[in-house]
Amino acid sequence: DGGITQSPKYLFRKEGQNVTLSCEQNLNHDAMYWYRQDPGQGLRLIYYSQIVNDFQKGDIAEGYSVSREKKESFPLTVTSAQKNPTAFYLCASSIGGRPLTQYFGPGTRLTVL
Amino acid sequence: ELKVEQNPLFLSMQEGKNYTIYCNYSTTSDRLYWYRQDPGKSLESLFVLLSNGAVKQEGRLMASLDTKARLSTLHITAAVHDLSATYFCAVDMDGQNFVFGPGTRLSVLP
Repeated sequence: DGGITQSPKYLFRKEGQNVTLSCEQNLNHDAMYWYRQDPGQGLRLIYYSQIVNDFQKGDIAEGYSVSREKKESFPLTVTSAQKNPTAFYLCASSIGGRPLTQYFGPGTRLTVL
Repeated sequence: ELKVEQNPLFLSMQEGKNYTIYCNYSTTSDRLYWYRQDPGKSLESLFVLLSNGAVKQEGRLMASLDTKARLSTLHITAAVHDLSATYFCAVDMDGQNFVFGPGTRLSVLP
């Protein structure tokens, strides 16, 4: 079964802690993306990666970090520098070049206590 | 900076009625995407419109693209309750990332 998996589905964090959200795909896609969605809002791009070992900041990268050591994996770390991290986080992937669409994972809902 | 707007942001309609959702974007692009999101769920790809004048239909939904007007429409025909969801349009900015509109929350009432 090809697809994108995200874990965990729900995550609770205390203030001041770093947490890492997992995103894995077995679609053999070159590009991967992280978005943040706040209640009733659209998606905002955090980071994206077009190829292994390379990534670019999106519109709201401050307080987040990523790595792309493997083609199939693109973990997102929410650091303590992110002042308001409670949100729904969506990972997506697409083929390289100019893709026909992005495929989204099921999402991780992060709540800061 | 590319901006994507949707109109309306909220739409409540009765079953059996027709309606259109509009998506405007601010810079030239020849590619536009429509997605559906159910509450608490991820996004599902509905349509990819690749050129000016492109029209695609799936069931009660039909999407079109006018690149000269920088406008896409998502037309709903004879709405049913199962179409209740949030619909997003997105524009391919530079072949590397997508910019999403704010979404249109559709409620279809019996």
